[in-house]
Amino acid sequence: QIQLVQSGPELKKPGESVKISCKASGYTFTNYGMYWVKQAPGQGLQYMGWINTETGKPTYADDFKGRFVFFLETSASTAYLQINNLKNEDMATYFCASVGYYDGTPFDYWGQGVMVTVSS
Amino acid sequence: EIVLTQSPTTIAASPGEKVTITCRASSSVSYMYWYQQKSGASPKLWIYDTSKLASGVPNRFSGSGSGTSYSLTINTMETEDAATYYCQQWSSTPPTFGAGTKLELK
Repeated sequence: QIQLVQSGPELKKPGESVKISCKASGYTFTNYGMYWVKQAPGQGLQYMGWINTETGKPTYADDFKGRFVFFLETSASTAYLQINNLKNEDMATYFCASVGYYDGTPFDYWGQGVMVTVSS
Repeated sequence: EIVLTQSPTTIAASPGEKVTITCRASSSVSYMYWYQQKSGASPKLWIYDTSKLASGVPNRFSGSGSGTSYSLTINTMETEDAATYYCQQWSSTPPTFGAGTKLELK
């Protein structure tokens, strides 16, 4: 079955970096873009951007330009989100989502989310 | 970017009650999408292309709207429908979400 399995929770200090993985299975990885969504504690969903899984080209939403990096390990059907120079406001759950249309119907699968805690 | 404003922010409904959640866009969008999210879980696509139910969604749910005004309706509230619902637009880059409507069981 189609699954996106993300890595485990992270506890980091301000200024450190974190790398979150999202491993896809059950479908052809390069057929759909991979999106990243942030959800701060008790808050709503915020689109961070996406990466074209065919070309590896990332696109970042304005709030996520600079410290945030999307990249792929296509041979392992895995997408990554790296956050550099962590700040307190980065504390959130981060979801990956593979989204598109297949034969006129939506293809919409999400990972389970990764909680990133930033604390000194 | 297009701002989506959902109302109400929170609503409580009794089983059997009709529930309507609205989503207003700051500019016209072609379609609206709705996600359901339960506590501690990932969002699930619930309604797509404004009015089409995603796979497995009960037919007591419906979606409608056009332009800048959209809605999600539950014909008869059931216990399992308690969740937070988010509208989302893909018509304009960047895609944006509404702030969410928390639907509670009364």
